Order: sequence, then C-alpha cells, then structure tokens
Amino acid sequence: AQSVTQLDSQVPVFEEAPVELRCNYSSSVSVYLFWYVQYPNQGLQLLLKYLSGSTLVKGINGFEAEFNKSQTSFHLRKPSVHISDTAEYFCAVSFSGGYQKVTFGTGTKLQVIP
Amino acid sequence: DAGVTQSPTHLIKTRGQQVTLRCSPKSGHDTVSWYQQALGQGPQFIFQYYEEEERQRGNFPDRFSGHQFPNYSSELNVNALLLGDSALYLCASGLNGGGDEQFFGPGTRLTVL
Repeated sequence: AQSVTQLDSQVPVFEEAPVELRCNYSSSVSVYLFWYVQYPNQGLQLLLKYLSGSTLVKGINGFEAEFNKSQTSFHLRKPSVHISDTAEYFCAVSFSGGYQKVTFGTGTKLQVIP
Repeated sequence: DAGVTQSPTHLIKTRGQQVTLRCSPKSGHDTVSWYQQALGQGPQFIFQYYEEEERQRGNFPDRFSGHQFPNYSSELNVNALLLGDSALYLCASGLNGGGDEQFFGPGTRLTVL
C-alpha cells in the first residue's frame, strides 16, 4: 500500500518570498509522484509530475519539485510566490504500472501575505 | 476540447435518498475514476472504471456504485445517503496503460441534509 504525508497543513509566506511545501511518501514499489493545486470551489489542476528520469521536475506557474528516493520525498518549491498562488496544494502518488489509482495527501494551504 | 465535465455542479439531498452524479471524460481517455473530497481533506479514491467494468475500488461501502457507458462516460450512484456523504465528488479521466496523470473535472458538491 502507498501513502502520502504532508506535514504542514498551512504555510503562510510573504509575497515574493520563496516557499517549500513538504511531501513524503511510502511505498514498497516504484511510484509516480504528482503535485496538484486546488483553488477555492474548483477541481484539481496538475502542477507537475515525476514519472522517471531527472529528479528535478519543473511545472507550471514557476513551481518545481525534486524527487529524493533515499528520503522518499517530493518537496514542492517556488523561488518567489505571488498572491495568486494562494490555494491548497496536494501531493499525490500512484503505483507505476498500476491502473492510475491516485493516493492523495491531506493538503497544504499556502497563504501568500501581501 | 472541453476537458472533463461533471454534472450537476451542486446538489442537495436528504438522508436516505439516492443520488446519481455524471461525468464525461476528456476526449481520447478511456478510464474514469471517482474521488470523494470531504471538507478540509484530500480526495479519497472511490473506484475506477475501464471497459465498462469496475477495475479498482477504495474503502467505500456498497452504497457507492457506478457505471461506465460505451462512450466512456460514467455515473456514480450513492444509495441511502448519510450526512457524512456530504462532500465534493471529483471525476478524473485518463488513458489506460499511460501511467500518466489524470485530468480532473470541477466536481459536484453534494450536500446531504
């Protein structure tokens, strides 16, 4: 079975400051990793994904994440946040070679302070 | 391409009633998954349909059932509604064997009174 842990339920950060949202996963097999963003009253939008290859993954809106297999982490980073980045962010994992069942973390609310 | 569409957007039911939610996948996709997202929580996997059959199921009771049609669209049915079924229900579509990300619809907000 796979699981995802997002330790920070809320992260306040000032506008134009850098941010890191933490994600750790557990799985006994190879996985695919994702970060999704959810704006209020909306569905989920994919920010970025790691399937294989380079461990540094770049996504939309200036976000990037680094896959660290030894630490089973997939932290999301942005060097300079904007007010419009205020949203909830979900880390997710699926079993590579499986049927795309996705297991989500509990989410991190990013609040950008002007 | 309209992406994943869901209907209705909002729904209010009372305890004990039954509800049907609908989903049309993104063009070219053949798998449909349903998720329940309670307030303040991450989405929880309900089940996935492929080739008109339920292929995987999460930890949800039999009150939750579904269907996939030949055109790949899908329905989620919930019987004997409980207050705890109030949530945002998300549909996601993907391509079988792709192992890639799923595309999510905007969701249906179900309120059970």
